[in-house]
Amino acid sequence: EVQLVESGGGLVQPGRSLRLSCAASGFTFDDYAMHWVRQAPGKGLEWVSGISWNSGSIGYADSVKGRFTISRDNAKNSLYLQMNSLRAEDTALYYCAKVLSDGPVSLDAFDIWGQGTMVTVSS
Amino acid sequence: EIVLTQSPGTLSLSPGERATLSCRASQSVSSSYLAWYQQKPGQAPRLLIYGASSRATGIPDRFSGSGSGTDFTLTISRLEPEDFAVYYCQQYGSSPATFGQGTKLEIK
Repeated sequence: EVQLVESGGGLVQPGRSLRLSCAASGFTFDDYAMHWVRQAPGKGLEWVSGISWNSGSIGYADSVKGRFTISRDNAKNSLYLQMNSLRAEDTALYYCAKVLSDGPVSLDAFDIWGQGTMVTVSS
Repeated sequence: EIVLTQSPGTLSLSPGERATLSCRASQSVSSSYLAWYQQKPGQAPRLLIYGASSRATGIPDRFSGSGSGTDFTLTISRLEPEDFAVYYCQQYGSSPATFGQGTKLEIK
């Protein structure tokens, strides 16, 4: 079964850091680009960051650029999001998502989503 | 950045009726790289349509997508009770990928 499981969320004070993880199974992880998408409580979806299969291409939303770092470890079938200098507006459910097509395509439709991990930034 | 505007914000219909959801882009979406997702409360989004008109694996044929350029449509031919949810469009033709604000499909 193709599956993505996020972890690492929690309550954190403004200005602090948090590292999210996403464990993948059921597919050849290093064939696919991966992304993070977030959803603030009661709000819509916002793309956060994406990384190509070989980490050669990385992108960030302007709202997180310079504060968040995406990475992956293909040997561990895992995706990460290092979040620094967190703000109240970063409060959201963070999903990791797999792209539909394998190979060099970095940006694509997202066919598999995890259940998300909640990040709450508050003092 | 391409801004996607979905309409209507809320659509109230009855089971068995036809639903038409619109997604308009602020500029042309490259190669019709437009997707539609369904999200139910407490669940992750589910991919319905990609490439503007291709159904994802396991999606019933009552769901169809159409459009190109800046105007796209998701049609549900005959609503089933399980179709009432929030629907999002997404463009992935240019970075950053962007989502519409969503259309809530509710039971009338």
